[in-house]
Amino acid sequence: KAGVTQTPRYLIKTRGQQVTLSCSPISGHRSVSWYQQTPGQGLQFLFEYFSETQRNKGNFPGRFSGRQFSNSRSEMNVSTLELGDSALYLCASSVGVYNEQFFGPGTRLTVL
Amino acid sequence: GIQVEQSPPDLILQEGANSTLRCNFSDSVNNLQWFHQNPWGQLINLFYIPSGTKQNGRLSATTVATERYSLLYISSSQTTDSGVYFCAVVTDSSYKLIFGSGTRLLVRP
Repeated sequence: KAGVTQTPRYLIKTRGQQVTLSCSPISGHRSVSWYQQTPGQGLQFLFEYFSETQRNKGNFPGRFSGRQFSNSRSEMNVSTLELGDSALYLCASSVGVYNEQFFGPGTRLTVL
Repeated sequence: GIQVEQSPPDLILQEGANSTLRCNFSDSVNNLQWFHQNPWGQLINLFYIPSGTKQNGRLSATTVATERYSLLYISSSQTTDSGVYFCAVVTDSSYKLIFGSGTRLLVRP
């Protein structure tokens, strides 16, 4: 069974631009979650989707948004990038959020 | 909200030594997982263990849900065990993993 895949793996953007990250969950998994990891703040929850519905959102500004498609694939978008958005963005999938969650390799975003 | 505390924050071992990592949480949980983050940033699943004891090779874990803690045991450590170990929990209706701040392990040859 293929694992969670994330694209792209690395991304360099400049301030003010926007970016879209993609996550393909493990086949059969309907819950997809996104996390941001920075050296200063650790691993922070962004949002969780289940069957195309956002069930929870972390404490991030409205510039961070996401969606889930009918095939459970998910995207997250960050608009008007700031230097502080430089981070590793991790996606996780599971059958349900209370079940074991599996992470993708992450997208490392650098904002210049 | 729930607090997840891991100890120790840093640990240096000689190859072959054993270690115990601890995770304390402040409320009841529906899910508890241990992860190892490799140098490239990927989180590798070690255990899904909301309660009880599990073993996988040189690693084992125990969660005592009633006392709100979990332990990860690493025996006969190897240099490849180096990295950061995270504990993460999910509480009822939160729909998210809440991570501890991690234990950074360095195993020296």
